[in-house]
Amino acid sequence: DAGVTQSPTHLIKTRGQQVTLRCSPKSGHDTVSWYQQALGQGPQFIFQYYEEEERQRGNFPDRFSGHQFPNYSSELNVNALLLGDSALYLCASSLEGVGAKNIQYFGAGTRLSVL
Amino acid sequence: AQRVTQPEKLLSVFKGAPVELKCNYSYSGSPELFWYVQYSRQRLQLLLRHISRESIKGFTADLNKGETSFHLKKPFAQEEDSAMYYCALRADTPLVFGKGTRLSVIA
Repeated sequence: DAGVTQSPTHLIKTRGQQVTLRCSPKSGHDTVSWYQQALGQGPQFIFQYYEEEERQRGNFPDRFSGHQFPNYSSELNVNALLLGDSALYLCASSLEGVGAKNIQYFGAGTRLSVL
Repeated sequence: AQRVTQPEKLLSVFKGAPVELKCNYSYSGSPELFWYVQYSRQRLQLLLRHISRESIKGFTADLNKGETSFHLKKPFAQEEDSAMYYCALRADTPLVFGKGTRLSVIA
């Protein structure tokens, strides 16, 4: 089991551009959560997807959007990039629901630099 | 609002010394508390969750609801414990993290 995989590893964009980050969950997991980790900070929750729908959302603007596919993989899209969007973006997968451990397993992250 | 506070950015201890990484939280209900660890060049991984009440790699953490704390402890630090440690709370949203504490164990 490869665990949670994210692509690409690194990305450089310029202000105003759009970016798409990808995540494949751990085998058997049905829920994907995205986090933003700025330098020197802990991860901050962006949103969570379950059954192809956004189930919960943190305090992020609408420029941040996502998608979950039938195979449970997910994408994070950020429009109109700002310098402040430069961060490590982490994907976490879990198996949610009654009786599940609901433990989040993290990917290695995508490092986004906005110039 | 949910908040997790880790007051120390950096904690340096000698090998064999006791370790205590502090974590305080604010939440009005009954949250679930976690410790995640990130070793050098590795991904974030779960170390402990309070409902398991287990010891992992010699680390333990007890939830103190009166003091709203979930401090991480180990009686004898090892060099391989050097890493970044994050305390996290799960309540209204999946996980709320503290800013992390870097533990450096000196030989």
